[in-house]
Amino acid sequence: ILNVEQSPQSLHVQEGDSTNFTCSFPSSNFYALHWYRWETAKSPEALFVMTLNGDEKKKGRISATLNTKEGYSYLYIKGSQPEDSATYLCAFEISGTYKYIFGTGTRLKVLA
Amino acid sequence: SAVISQKPSRDICQRGTSLTIQCQVDSQVTMMFWYRQQPGQSLTLIATANQGSEATYESGFVIDKFPISRPNLTFSTLTVSNMSPEDSSIYLCSGVSTDTQYFGPGTRLTVL
Repeated sequence: ILNVEQSPQSLHVQEGDSTNFTCSFPSSNFYALHWYRWETAKSPEALFVMTLNGDEKKKGRISATLNTKEGYSYLYIKGSQPEDSATYLCAFEISGTYKYIFGTGTRLKVLA
Repeated sequence: SAVISQKPSRDICQRGTSLTIQCQVDSQVTMMFWYRQQPGQSLTLIATANQGSEATYESGFVIDKFPISRPNLTFSTLTVSNMSPEDSSIYLCSGVSTDTQYFGPGTRLTVL
């Protein structure tokens, strides 16, 4: 059974703090690792898709890294803002299938 | 990218009844999927919606409980049949475009 773990489950930070989350995934049958941002009652928003070991992606104040050999990815948010409050999901894409296995997410709350 | 809408956005239903959820994509997508998120759990894949043929179900999900249709490349429906309180979840559809899954905003179902 392929399992994806995310930590922490939830996080409260002050506005301006930097933070990071972890996603652990299987090292076999790997095709890609996806990060999504999900606000309540909205569609999950695709942030990054990473495929190569050592990949680093950046979008504004948010960045992500990928280590496929040890099976983890980090998502970083620099200078958190209240509008960053959301649940951040990672998804492991199974090679050759387009199917995703999701972690349970990290719920971030940024306090003004 | 693809923009995906779902109807209804939420519903409260009585046990033993059925609800059909509609998913509309604004452009053609290669694959469509249906997911469920039970309270406190991760997004879990229910099935792949195949155009013009029977859906492909994941382990633990069956056609009699979750019949799915996909008459064309931009539309799909999921029916939750003979509902029980355990079916209370958020149901999301997704479509694959340019190697990324795009998601609808979800249907929040409560079964009393």
